[in-house]
Amino acid sequence: GENVEQHPSTLSVQEGDSAVIKCTYSDSASNYFPWYKQELGKGPQLIIDIRSNVGEKKDQRIAVTLNKTAKHFSLHITETQPEDSAVYFCAASSYGGSQGNLIFGKGTKLSVKP
Amino acid sequence: DTEVTQTPKHLVMGMTNKKSLKCEQHMGHRAMYWYKQKAKKPPELMFVYSYEKLSINESVPSRFSPECPNSSLLNLHLHALQPEDSALYLCASSQDWASGGQYFGPGTRLTVT
Repeated sequence: GENVEQHPSTLSVQEGDSAVIKCTYSDSASNYFPWYKQELGKGPQLIIDIRSNVGEKKDQRIAVTLNKTAKHFSLHITETQPEDSAVYFCAASSYGGSQGNLIFGKGTKLSVKP
Repeated sequence: DTEVTQTPKHLVMGMTNKKSLKCEQHMGHRAMYWYKQKAKKPPELMFVYSYEKLSINESVPSRFSPECPNSSLLNLHLHALQPEDSALYLCASSQDWASGGQYFGPGTRLTVT
């Protein structure tokens, strides 16, 4: 079955710096890769996603890149702000396929210091 | 609107109690999910409902009983729980199973005493 590894487990940056979180997946059939942000005491919030027919996607200060050959995808946050502090989860699934379940990475706790 | 609502926000129950968690979405989504999340861990899938039918049960103990009364509502009935069942219970929905993004509710924080 699919396995998703996520690094680093914790990340501390200064406000205004960039943050990068990386995930690798094992199943070449996976073709949908969402990223979730979970603030303390809240449910995960879908912040950006990418499908395997696209190499990069941007939404204001966040972007996701996908390398299908290497089976890895990354979340990039630019100009970080204290409100970006949260736990971020990557996930993988097979859009339109036989594995619709999201397989999550273990999470990255991002701390943005003012 | 990408809102999934869950009630109650917090629940404390004894091991002999029976309680229910409720979830609602009005996005017209046809797949709904229950997840369990322990502290500092990712969500762990429990059940999937697709078009109001239970399609996946991830070997969840029978003390958890899901129900989907209609396409907008999802319940999780709890009975004879153990202290180790204390966790954040999350509901999510998506357009269809295997159709991409799942949208999560805020969760119910359950404590079993």
